[in-house]
Amino acid sequence: EADIYQTPRYLVIGTGKKITLECSQTMGHDKMYWYQQDPGMELHLIHYSYGVNSTEKGDLSSESTVSRIRTEHFPLTLESARPSHTSQYLCASSFSTSPYEQYFGPGTRLTVT
Amino acid sequence: GDSVTQMEGPVTLSEEAFLTINCTYTATGYPSLFWYVQYPGEGLQLLLKATKADDKGSNKGFEATYRKETTSFHLEKGSVQVSDSAVYFCALSSSSGNTPLVFGKGTRLSVIA
Repeated sequence: EADIYQTPRYLVIGTGKKITLECSQTMGHDKMYWYQQDPGMELHLIHYSYGVNSTEKGDLSSESTVSRIRTEHFPLTLESARPSHTSQYLCASSFSTSPYEQYFGPGTRLTVT
Repeated sequence: GDSVTQMEGPVTLSEEAFLTINCTYTATGYPSLFWYVQYPGEGLQLLLKATKADDKGSNKGFEATYRKETTSFHLEKGSVQVSDSAVYFCALSSSSGNTPLVFGKGTRLSVIA
């Protein structure tokens, strides 16, 4: 069983607020990822990191930012939440060795009113 | 670039029916292939994987065989249960592992008693 945690699980917040979604893993994985999942189920990669102090933008343009100061921690921040940010956010991690499978956290359901 | 195409859903089956969810891929080299499952309100869980041609991944009664000649990795189960109702994602990792997993769009399965 993979050990990757996300908090909060559910968040309802007003427009314009700054929020940080937390993601931590205890498996020593060097790679970590953030996905946005739309109601139609499709996953969209928004950020990833291949190690400390390394971050990259994913395929989906996002107004969020990430940091990777510690191997086990990969928080995602929205400086000013908008209703268009309402979505499910999934964090994942993996080793750098084949076959590179990813392990996912339980997700954060964000609603911006 | 690499891509994964899986059959669109939703798929609705009666309990004990046979399940097939088709997945085909486009990739250079020798990718690893995965099936993930997502139950309502949860993150994705790795269901099974295969790392080379003709490998068969299996777990919880589900099976998929890595067919390089047809670039396919179809998911099958002989007798589905109501508890199998979920969204299923096919995914691949590149041979080098230098890029994140590529996911299909997901297939929703509903099993009725």
